[in-house]
Amino acid sequence: AQTVTQSQPEMSVQEAETVTLSCTYDTSESDYYLFWYKQPPSRQMILVIRQEAYKQQNATENRFSVNFQKAAKSFSLKISDSQLGDAAMYFCAYRRVNGGSQGNLIFGKGTKLSVKP
Amino acid sequence: DAGVIQSPRHEVTEMGQEVTLRCKPISGHNSLFWYRQTMMRGLELLIYFNNNVPIDDSGMPEDRFSAKMPNASFSTLKIQPSEPRDSAVYFCASSPWTSGGEQYFGPGTRLTVT
Repeated sequence: AQTVTQSQPEMSVQEAETVTLSCTYDTSESDYYLFWYKQPPSRQMILVIRQEAYKQQNATENRFSVNFQKAAKSFSLKISDSQLGDAAMYFCAYRRVNGGSQGNLIFGKGTKLSVKP
Repeated sequence: DAGVIQSPRHEVTEMGQEVTLRCKPISGHNSLFWYRQTMMRGLELLIYFNNNVPIDDSGMPEDRFSAKMPNASFSTLKIQPSEPRDSAVYFCASSPWTSGGEQYFGPGTRLTVT
């Protein structure tokens, strides 16, 4: 069974600085998706960034980028120029690709990010 | 698009009562997922549907939980009878058949069973 591990329950960053959140996963599949979701206090789950396993190039979305290391099964999220609005729980998630079937997301336990002004 | 719609946003009920949570997926999405979030267990899948058909219900805790999707635009999650340990935030999410794999979440229903 696939598992997702986030080893940092809490992280803190100074406003305008850069922070990296860690995620590792375990799977025997060769093709899959990886995601980072953000959950602010409003509890809405917001997609931050997505990575397809078959793509070697790391995904980027404005101030958010990932470091995808497939062999190491590592998928870290880097937030540059941190803003107060980035404060939230961040969840790493895995989703298998199985033909056309749309499987469920498997989530890590989350990392609570605080941003200091 | 209005996004995934869930109702109610908050529900407080007494142990033993029936609870029904509702979800309207994004129009055109053919996969629908019910997740539960608790402090102890994090986010976990309860059940998901493809084209209104339940595909995987292995996450449904026990027979007290049931889910239906009578059509492409509506799903319900029912708990009968409810217990205090069912207190959690319940999320509905949907995704289209052809996509980059991402799922779009509703705002969640916070359920409190006293």
